[in-house]
Amino acid sequence: SQKIEQNSEALNIQEGKTATLTCNYTNYSPAYLQWYRQDPGRGPVFLLLIRENEKEKRKERLKVTFDTTLKQSLFHITASQPADSATYLCAPPGATNKLIFGTGTLLAVQP
Amino acid sequence: KAGVTQTPRYLIKTRGQQVTLSCSPISGHRSVSWYQQTPGQGLQFLFEYFSETQRNKGNFPGRFSGRQFSNSRSEMNVSTLELGDSALYLCASSLDRRSGYTFGSGTRLTVV
Repeated sequence: SQKIEQNSEALNIQEGKTATLTCNYTNYSPAYLQWYRQDPGRGPVFLLLIRENEKEKRKERLKVTFDTTLKQSLFHITASQPADSATYLCAPPGATNKLIFGTGTLLAVQP
Repeated sequence: KAGVTQTPRYLIKTRGQQVTLSCSPISGHRSVSWYQQTPGQGLQFLFEYFSETQRNKGNFPGRFSGRQFSNSRSEMNVSTLELGDSALYLCASSLDRRSGYTFGSGTRLTVV
């Protein structure tokens, strides 16, 4: 069955460093993949979408890569700030194109 | 423009009761999806509606149902509530699947 894996352990980094989060998927090949940010008690907020024919996508301090051979997407936040602390979710479409969310990785940026 | 509005924000119900949650999507968005979020399971897909038709359904029991009205507003209903139904229920609307989903703040349902 289709499976999405994100590092369930929290990622702790120092302010100013680059945070790198991983999303691995198995048993299918999504045509695109979305990344969301979620703060406690709130709904996820859409950040970026990357298509299978795009190797890399950037938006301000955010960068997403999509490696269809490795079946992996990496999400980078450069020059991280404490305000970037949140849970980040990857979401590729599953069968019938419904959006499936990974369990998310909690990022904590220390000042 | 107004975002996705979910009501009520918080709800406490007793086991065995039923509940109806409401979602008003962004104006112009015809697709509405519902998700259940719990600490252990993350975001689980419930259903997706497009132009009043259910387009997708997740793996939830028949106690969970939904519908969409002609103005794209959507409701979901849970009958015969169980303790395990306690969760954050999130609604999301989109213009199309590749433009990203806009989520509401959710309805926090507690079943006692």
